[in-house]
Formats: sequence, C-alpha cells, structure tokens
Amino acid sequence: SQTIHQWPATLVQPVGSPLSLECTVEGTSNPNLYWYRQAAGRGLQLLFYSVGIGQISSEVPQNLSASRPQDRQFILSSKKLLLSDSGFYLCAWSTPWRELGDTQYFGPGTRLTVL
Amino acid sequence: QKEVEQNSGPLSVPEGAIASLNCTYSDRGSQSFFWYRQYSGKSPELIMSIYSNGDKEDGRFTAQLNKASQYVSLLIRDSQPSDSATYLCAVKNSGYALNFGKGTSLLVTP
Repeated sequence: SQTIHQWPATLVQPVGSPLSLECTVEGTSNPNLYWYRQAAGRGLQLLFYSVGIGQISSEVPQNLSASRPQDRQFILSSKKLLLSDSGFYLCAWSTPWRELGDTQYFGPGTRLTVL
Repeated sequence: QKEVEQNSGPLSVPEGAIASLNCTYSDRGSQSFFWYRQYSGKSPELIMSIYSNGDKEDGRFTAQLNKASQYVSLLIRDSQPSDSATYLCAVKNSGYALNFGKGTSLLVTP
C-alpha cells in the first residue's frame, strides 16, 4: 500500500528565515505530487504540482519554490519567509495517469508558524 | 474563477440522524468530484469520489451528483459523534488541480 510522509510536523520560524519542507511517497512509482497550503479560515490552495522528476508547475506566484530531486520526493522551499506564509502545508500524491479517477491522497501535513 | 461553494456551518445534527452536506461549483467542465473529511488539526482524508450523475453509496455515506444543476452533496446516515469534523468538497476538471470549498463544519451531538 502507498504511504506518504511529511516532515517536520510543526515548525516555528522567524520572518526572513529560509524554509525547507519535505514530502516522500512510498509504495508507488512516478506519482503526481502536489503542495497545498491551508491558511486559517481559508480553503486549500494548490501551490505546486509535479508530474515527474525536475518537472514543477506553479499555480500561485509567491516567494515559495518547489523541487523534485527524486521520483518520490517533493520539497517546498523559501529563501525568506513572510508572515503570510504561515499555514498548514499539505503534500498529496495521485496516480500518474490522467484518468478520470485521479484521486489525490494527502500526507499528515506540516504546520508552519512564521513569527 | 473556478469556485466551489459550501455553507461553513456549523451544521448540528443529533446522533443517529441523517446529515446532509451540500456543495455547488461554477466550472461546467468539472469531471470529478470528491468529499474529504478533515478533523481539527489533521489532514484531509478521502471519503468518496463520484463522477457520474446520480447516487453513489459507500456504507453510511451517499454522494449525489447533479451536473446540470452543478450540485454535489454528501449524506451521512446514522450520524455518530465521531463524524464531527469539517467536510471538504473538491472538484476537478481535466487539469491537475483540485478546487476545494472552504468546508462545512459538522457537529453530531449525543
């Protein structure tokens, strides 16, 4: 069965500091991978998605970036955090086929607080 | 702008009753529809997916889809206190992104 991991689980960072969040998936090959953010009182917002190693698509312009150095590893980064970057960051995966049943499954999330 | 709308709630139902959660969407090109449950402080977990007009049942859960009315709903029969959570409606067209509503908070009272 497939398993998705995220770390760290929680993070408190000062404004202007760098960020690195990691997501890994087990039990599947060549998954589609996604980064979402859920800010307080707001819905889930897709930040990035990736259909393969080195292939990153950005949905929302911001000071965040994403990378996929390995097939089942997805990293979210920032060089300088803003207060508005606080939120619950969720990684998700789906099968690699663009079929109708392209269900996305979420990892446990990282709660980021920027002070 | 592709929008997914849900009443924020809270929707309060007594234990054993049927909870009815509703969702409307604006993108007529939407093809896939999902319901996720999110407990406070946790990540969303998939409850059901539905792709065709009509009803789809899975245990105590029934999803209903009406593409002409751009409406999808989730019924929870025999509601339990453990069903108390936020329910997220998500809609997908031919692209990669899931468009989420802000969720409906459900409270099942003993």
